[in-house]
Amino acid sequence: DAGVTQSPTHLIKTRGQQVTLRCSPKSGHDTVSWYQQALGQGPQFIFQYYEEEERQRGNFPDRFSGHQFPNYSSELNVNALLLGDSALYLCASSLGSPPYNEQFFGPGTRLTVL
Amino acid sequence: ILNVEQSPQSLHVQEGDSTNFTCSFPSSNFYALHWYRWETAKSPEALFVMTLNGDEKKKGRISATLNTKEGYSYLYIKGSQPEDSATYLCAFTSGSARQLTFGSGTQLTVLP
Repeated sequence: DAGVTQSPTHLIKTRGQQVTLRCSPKSGHDTVSWYQQALGQGPQFIFQYYEEEERQRGNFPDRFSGHQFPNYSSELNVNALLLGDSALYLCASSLGSPPYNEQFFGPGTRLTVL
Repeated sequence: ILNVEQSPQSLHVQEGDSTNFTCSFPSSNFYALHWYRWETAKSPEALFVMTLNGDEKKKGRISATLNTKEGYSYLYIKGSQPEDSATYLCAFTSGSARQLTFGSGTQLTVLP
């Protein structure tokens, strides 16, 4: 079992550009959540996808959007990048919806916006 | 706004020492409390999920307790080893939420 995988590992973009990050959930998991971790802070919830729909959303602007595919993999898209979007983006998968269910995390994608 | 606080922010201990960290969270509408261990360049690894007041969980030398009435959880490490060096994150979930609300973590360094 490969666990949760994310790609790419690192990414450098410039302000105003758009970026797409990808996540493959742990085998058998159907729910994907995305988190942003800025330096010195804990991960902040962006949104969660289940059955190809956004189920819940955190306090992030509409520039952050996502998608879930029939195979449960997911993408996070960020438009009009700002310097403040530089962070580690974590994907977590679970079977069904938390809070009971344990979330398994990927290693993250480090995004740097110049 | 849900606030999850962890203390201390960081600490250094000698190999063999026992240590503990604190996680405080809102006591109202509690649903679950999660502890994760996060080593550098790796994925956060789930340690415990606790749901009931008075819960105590143990995994080897690591254990955790939960007090939902006063809104805190302790993580204990007995006989710390250098491989215990990591950031320890706690995360809270309320009854109405589906996401984890994380604290900023405690960064532990165990010196040989």
